[in-house]
Amino acid sequence: KAGVTQTPRYLIKTRGQQVTLSCSPISGHRSVSWYQQTPGQGLQFLFEYFSETQRNKGNFPGRFSGRQFSNSRSEMNVSTLELGDSALYLCASSLMGSVYEQYFGPGTRLTVT
Amino acid sequence: GEDVEQSLFLSVREGDSSVINCTYTDSSSTYLYWYKQEPGAGLQLLTYIFSNMDMKQDQRLTVLLNKKDKHLSLRIADTQTGDSAIYFCAESNDYKLSFGAGTTVTVRA
Repeated sequence: KAGVTQTPRYLIKTRGQQVTLSCSPISGHRSVSWYQQTPGQGLQFLFEYFSETQRNKGNFPGRFSGRQFSNSRSEMNVSTLELGDSALYLCASSLMGSVYEQYFGPGTRLTVT
Repeated sequence: GEDVEQSLFLSVREGDSSVINCTYTDSSSTYLYWYKQEPGAGLQLLTYIFSNMDMKQDQRLTVLLNKKDKHLSLRIADTQTGDSAIYFCAESNDYKLSFGAGTTVTVRA
């Protein structure tokens, strides 16, 4: 079974721009969660989607948003990029939406200049 | 992860056992996890333990849970150079994982 895939793997953007990251979960998994990893703050929860609905959201500004499609693929969008948004963005999928056995993708490394 | 604490570094000789320790705060956590992250990679789920268990063994990995002290440990037997990585402890609540800062394990010959 294929694992969680994320595209693109690397991205360089300029302050003020917006970016969209994509995540394809493991086949059959309906829950997708997003995490931000930075050296200073570590791993922080962004949001979780289940059956196309955002069920939970972390403590991030409204510039961070996401969505999930009927095939469970998910995208996250960051608008008006700031230097502090530079991070590794990790997507995780799980079968039924609980935190039991969350499998992570390789991440998208976003650099904001 | 302010709710989960780990030591930051561990150096171990190849062939020895590694022990990584973690303390957590949420007594309602159902599952506790150990993830491994190699340079440039995502998080690999190594193992997890249900909160009503004391110990779980999976090949070279042994997880010990002391629920009273909210202490979790991961023991890696016969540590190999491929075990060099950052190891994250994580606790779960209803909808998310809270991670520790990660322990960088360096295996020396």
